Amino acid sequence: AQSVAQPEDQVNVAEGNPLTVKCTYSVSGNPYLFWYVQYPNRGLQFLLKYITGDNLVKGSYGFEAEFNKSQTSFHLKKPSALVSDSALYFCAVRDRGPSGGYQKVTFGTGTKLQVIP
Amino acid sequence: DTGVSQNPRHKITKRGQNVTFRCDPISEHNRLYWYRQTLGQGPEFLTYFQNEAQLEKSRLLSDRFSAERPKGSFSTLEIQRTEQGDSAMYLCASSPGLAGDSDTQYFGPGTRLTVL
Repeated sequence: AQSVAQPEDQVNVAEGNPLTVKCTYSVSGNPYLFWYVQYPNRGLQFLLKYITGDNLVKGSYGFEAEFNKSQTSFHLKKPSALVSDSALYFCAVRDRGPSGGYQKVTFGTGTKLQVIP
Repeated sequence: DTGVSQNPRHKITKRGQNVTFRCDPISEHNRLYWYRQTLGQGPEFLTYFQNEAQLEKSRLLSDRFSAERPKGSFSTLEIQRTEQGDSAMYLCASSPGLAGDSDTQYFGPGTRLTVL
C-alpha cells in the first residue's frame, strides 16, 4: 500500500526567509508526486508535480520541490517566504502503474505553514 | 471560469435528513473523484468515475452514500439519513484520464456539510 508522511504539523518561518515543507512517500513502483495548497474553507489548489527527469521541479508562486529517490522524499521549498504563503500544504503520491490506467492518489495529512511578518 | 465547480458551498442539515451535492468537472476531463476531508486530515478517497462508469468505491462509502455521473458530465453525491459523523468538507476533483499522462487532479472549492 502506498503512503505519504508529512512529519511536521506546522512550520513557522519569518517573511523573507527560505522555507521547506517536508514529505516522504512509500510506493511499490515509480511515483508521480504532487504538492497542493489549501486556503481556509477552499478546495486544494495544484502547485507542482514530479513526473520524470530533472529532480528539481518548479511550480506556481515561486515554489519548487526536490525529488530524492534514495531518501524517498519530495520536499517543498521556496527561497523567500511571503505572508500570503501561509496556508495548508498537502503532499500526494500516485503509483505510475500501466499507461492510461487509473491509480489511486494518496494524500498526506497536511502541514500548516505560518509565515511571520 | 473553466475550473471544477461544486454546489452548494455550504449545507446545514438535521440528523436523519438526506442531502445531495453537485459537482461540475472541467469539461474535457474524463475522470471525476469524490473525497471527504475532516479537520486536520488530508482528503480521503470516496469514489471515482471514468466517464459515466463508477469504477471504484472506498470502504468509507457506506450504503447511505450514493454517487452518480449520468452521461459522463456532472456528478451528484447523495447522503441518506445523515449522521453527525458525516459532517465534513466534500471535495470533488477531475482529471484528464489520458494515456501516458500523470493525470493530475484538479479540485473544486468543496461543499462543507454540517449535520446538527
